[in-house]
Amino acid sequence: SQELEQSPQSLIVQEGKNLTINCTSSKTLYGLYWYKQKYGEGLIFLMMLQKGGEEKSHEKITAKLDEKKQQSSLHITASQPSHAGIYLCGADDNSGYALNFGKGTSLLVTP
Amino acid sequence: EPEVTQTPSHQVTQMGQEVILRCVPISNHLYFYWYRQILGQKVEFLVSFYNNEISEKSEIFDDQFSVERPDGSNFTLKIRSTKLEDSAMYFCASSRQGLNEQFFGPGTRLTVL
Repeated sequence: SQELEQSPQSLIVQEGKNLTINCTSSKTLYGLYWYKQKYGEGLIFLMMLQKGGEEKSHEKITAKLDEKKQQSSLHITASQPSHAGIYLCGADDNSGYALNFGKGTSLLVTP
Repeated sequence: EPEVTQTPSHQVTQMGQEVILRCVPISNHLYFYWYRQILGQKVEFLVSFYNNEISEKSEIFDDQFSVERPDGSNFTLKIRSTKLEDSAMYFCASSRQGLNEQFFGPGTRLTVL
């Protein structure tokens, strides 16, 4: 089965700093999804990447997909306290119906 | 903005009891999912549902679990005889088309005593 490894597990950054979260798959990536989860709450969709080399941005968050490395990265520019939460990467297991998720990266942004 | 809703937000039950978790997906969505997250662990896929039948299920989704779309708006997950290890946050999700952007509900926290 596919395993998604996220790094780092947790991150504390000062407000205004940039940061990157990585997600590496043990198998070929057919689609990569980034979600954000606030503690004890549901998942909020951020971005979906489907093609190698694809890069998407939303506000100060940019995600890239490196198909050859079976890896995706999520970059936050000029972090704010509102960026705090758990970032999850999810991947299509090639069935077209199920998402496998990584364990998440916990982000805390300090003033 | 349309959203997925789930009820109840928290359910406490005794081991061996049946529970039904309810979800109202976004109205024009055709694909429905259940996931669970045991405290401190990753979000795990349980089942997907399309065109009134299960399209895929995981190893977790054994005979104790069932799903149903009893009417045009609700989507339910039933656990027939709960076990302690069923304690988790259960998330419902829906999507308009396949795995495109799944919208997740806020979750139901199930506690089995």
